Amino acid sequence: DIQMTQSPSTLSASVGDRVTITCRASQSISSWLAWYQQKPGKAPKLLIYKASSLESGVPSRFSGSGSGTEFTLTISSLQPDDFATYYCQQYNSYSGTFGGGTKVEIK
Amino acid sequence: QITLKESGPTLVKPTQTLTLTCTFSGFSLSTSGVGVGWIRQPPGKALEWLALIYWNDDKRYSPSLKSRLTITKDTSKNQVVLTMTNMDPVDTATYYCAHRRKGDPIDYWGQGTLVTVSS
Repeated sequence: DIQMTQSPSTLSASVGDRVTITCRASQSISSWLAWYQQKPGKAPKLLIYKASSLESGVPSRFSGSGSGTEFTLTISSLQPDDFATYYCQQYNSYSGTFGGGTKVEIK
Repeated sequence: QITLKESGPTLVKPTQTLTLTCTFSGFSLSTSGVGVGWIRQPPGKALEWLALIYWNDDKRYSPSLKSRLTITKDTSKNQVVLTMTNMDPVDTATYYCAHRRKGDPIDYWGQGTLVTVSS
């Protein structure tokens, strides 16, 4: 079973900051990696798929990179609407393990 | 427009079997490549992938929960059913169903349904 490890678990930042979240897979997942944003009481929202492809309608300040076992989500300039919890997910055809989440809080 | 909605009991007792139904619209589970999955989230905790069923009846389960889970589909009713046996208070969570295609991530989610396990 593929394990996904996110870091940090919590991140305090200010509006305008550049923010980076890391996700590591226990084995190579090629580029089968997605990032989601979740706000309290809501279902997750897809931001990035195939490690670096931006989902339609998602602001360009979000970007993803990586392949194999190491991936990053970057928010180039944090906006008030971006304070939320972010999850990575590997999505090969046979499973869909999530990372433990990163909560982005207001500093 | 794709929509999904979960339904089922809000409260179950320990050792009981949970049956959840996902009713969807805007797509067909007989279309090649289409899948519907279940994900849960305990209060204040992370998302956990549970199970997935594809258009061709290929079924996949979380290894840690495989012995307790069964996923089935009724294409004519546009429904996917998840059963989880031997429920425990640690299974208290919001349960989501979601749409994906083979090779793609989840792109549509249901609103989720909170299931509490308590005597």
